[in-house]
Amino acid sequence: KAGVTQTPRYLIKTRGQQVTLSCSPISGHRSVSWYQQTPGQGLQFLFEYFSETQRNKGNFPGRFSGRQFSNSRSEMNVSTLELGDSALYLCASRGPSGVEAFFGQGTRLTVV
Amino acid sequence: KNEVEQSPQNLTAQEGEFITINCSYSVGISALHWLQQHPGGGIVSLFMLSSGKKKHGRLIATINIQEKHSSLHITASHPRDSAVYICAVISGYNNDMRFGAGTRLTVKP
Repeated sequence: KAGVTQTPRYLIKTRGQQVTLSCSPISGHRSVSWYQQTPGQGLQFLFEYFSETQRNKGNFPGRFSGRQFSNSRSEMNVSTLELGDSALYLCASRGPSGVEAFFGQGTRLTVV
Repeated sequence: KNEVEQSPQNLTAQEGEFITINCSYSVGISALHWLQQHPGGGIVSLFMLSSGKKKHGRLIATINIQEKHSSLHITASHPRDSAVYICAVISGYNNDMRFGAGTRLTVKP
């Protein structure tokens, strides 16, 4: 069974640009959650998608958005990048019961 | 006060030592995960617990639902155990995942 795949692994962007990150969950999993990890703030919840619908959203500005496709792959987009958006972005594939969680390797975004 | 509190924040041990990391939470949960994160980023769930105790090799995890407390033990620690260990709870209300701040473990040879 393939694991959770996040692409790209590393990304360098300039302030003001936008970026799109991708997450492919474990086959058969319909729930994908996104998290931002920074040294100062730890892991913070961005949003969760289930069957193409956003089920929950964390406390992040509207520059952060996401979507989920019919094959359960999810993308998150950050527009008008700021230096403070530099972080590791992780996605988790949640099992049918909702209690299992499998994480991807993350995308490390650096904004310069 | 955070909903999930971990201690200690940092831990340095000599190879072979017995290690304990603690996690206390204040919300109702349906499960608790102990996560391991090595430098480079990827997170692996070591254990998922809803009651009692689980053992995998040198790692043992326990949970006391009544006291809202869990511990992760590492017996005969090894330098390859050096990583950040994160306690994460699954909310019993909406299945949200909530995280502790993590414990950075360094095991010296």
